[in-house]
Amino acid sequence: EDQVTQSPEALRLQEGESSSLNCSYTVSGLRGLFWYRQDPGKGPEFLFTLYSAGEEKEKERLKATLTKKESFLHITAPKPEDSATYLCAVRPNTGFQKLVFGTGTRLLVSP
Amino acid sequence: DAGVIQSPRHEVTEMGQEVTLRCKPISGHDYLFWYRQTMMRGLELLIYFNNNVPIDDSGMPEDRFSAKMPNASFSTLKIQPSEPRDSAVYFCASTPRLTSDNEQFFGPGTRLTVL
Repeated sequence: EDQVTQSPEALRLQEGESSSLNCSYTVSGLRGLFWYRQDPGKGPEFLFTLYSAGEEKEKERLKATLTKKESFLHITAPKPEDSATYLCAVRPNTGFQKLVFGTGTRLLVSP
Repeated sequence: DAGVIQSPRHEVTEMGQEVTLRCKPISGHDYLFWYRQTMMRGLELLIYFNNNVPIDDSGMPEDRFSAKMPNASFSTLKIQPSEPRDSAVYFCASTPRLTSDNEQFFGPGTRLTVL
């Protein structure tokens, strides 16, 4: 069964304190791993897609990396506006457009 | 450019009542998805359509749930009869046809509370 586990469930950082969020997955063939950001009361917003082990992508203070078993979302010198829930999802080979999501990491960055 | 539109944004109903959630995808997007989000289970795919045709409904929890897409710009998710355990946030998402690995664009969601 395709499964995504995210850790920690919640993370509290001081502004400027860098950290990483983890997404571990088991999937029947990976077609893509996705990171989304979700603000309270809103739908998820796309951040990155990673396709193969060793791939990295960056956007402002965020950097996503991928291995064969997990992905990390590194947050460098975070700001309060980075506070959100970060969701990881995988697209298995079986299921053309299907995404399997983790339960997310709630990040709070204090000034 | 309008994103995915969902209505209502909030719905409070009593157990046993019929609930209808509505979605308008982004114009030109051929794929439409319905998700349910709860604290315990996260975001779960219920059903998705391609060109108005249901492709995978294996995530629909039971016969009380049904979804339709009568045309390219409108879809409904209906729960009849509703139960308290259906309380969740329901999201609609869409994605275009051309590149199969495109990200999905989510609407703002409908928060459903069944008393």
